[in-house]
Amino acid sequence: EPEVTQTPSHQVTQMGQEVILRCVPISNHLYFYWYRQILGQKVEFLVSFYNNEISEKSEIFDDQFSVERPDGSNFTLKIRSTKLEDSAMYFCASSRQGGRTNTEAFFGQGTRLTVV
Amino acid sequence: AQSVTQPDIHITVSEGASLELRCNYSYGATPYLFWYVQSPGQGLQLLLKYFSGDTLVQGIKGFEAEFKRSQSSFNLRKPSVHWSDAAEYFCAVGGGDDKIIFGKGTRLHILP
Repeated sequence: EPEVTQTPSHQVTQMGQEVILRCVPISNHLYFYWYRQILGQKVEFLVSFYNNEISEKSEIFDDQFSVERPDGSNFTLKIRSTKLEDSAMYFCASSRQGGRTNTEAFFGQGTRLTVV
Repeated sequence: AQSVTQPDIHITVSEGASLELRCNYSYGATPYLFWYVQSPGQGLQLLLKYFSGDTLVQGIKGFEAEFKRSQSSFNLRKPSVHWSDAAEYFCAVGGGDDKIIFGKGTRLHILP
């Protein structure tokens, strides 16, 4: 069964460092997403991406964040200068369709980011 | 604005007992509704979804949920829980854009 793959599963970084979280979405999917879950809190939408551009982003997704689909298979989330409050589980998701036609997004296993 | 409320942070039931997890949503039009499960250290797995048709939907692992428009609810049920059902359950709503809005989750504990 196809699945969304995320690497690494855990990442520890020092405050102020740049991190790149990687995701390989399901191959025939066209819409890609990042969500995050701070420990003990709910899963929050960060950004959606379609046709090589951001289609929607939340207020959490500020200038420190960027997304890219560098090679047609990977989908990355970059945090330019990490802060302690960026510590969270980051989930990548993909779907074949978006908007009102999106009936299912498949989620990866997550990358746990710890900023120290 | 879209929102999801899961009023119970923790639920404890005995193995073999029935389960109902509550979910209420706020959305202006007909929503897409989802239940996801997250086992410890794992990702999010889709249990079931509703977007049209029969308001009682069946999912994986013996779960079902019923969409009640009049109550803005989408409660998750299982007639007999197993120890392996211990996990966190998230109700979520999707609508006129790409994102899914999640509730805060309900952690299910199973007593032997």
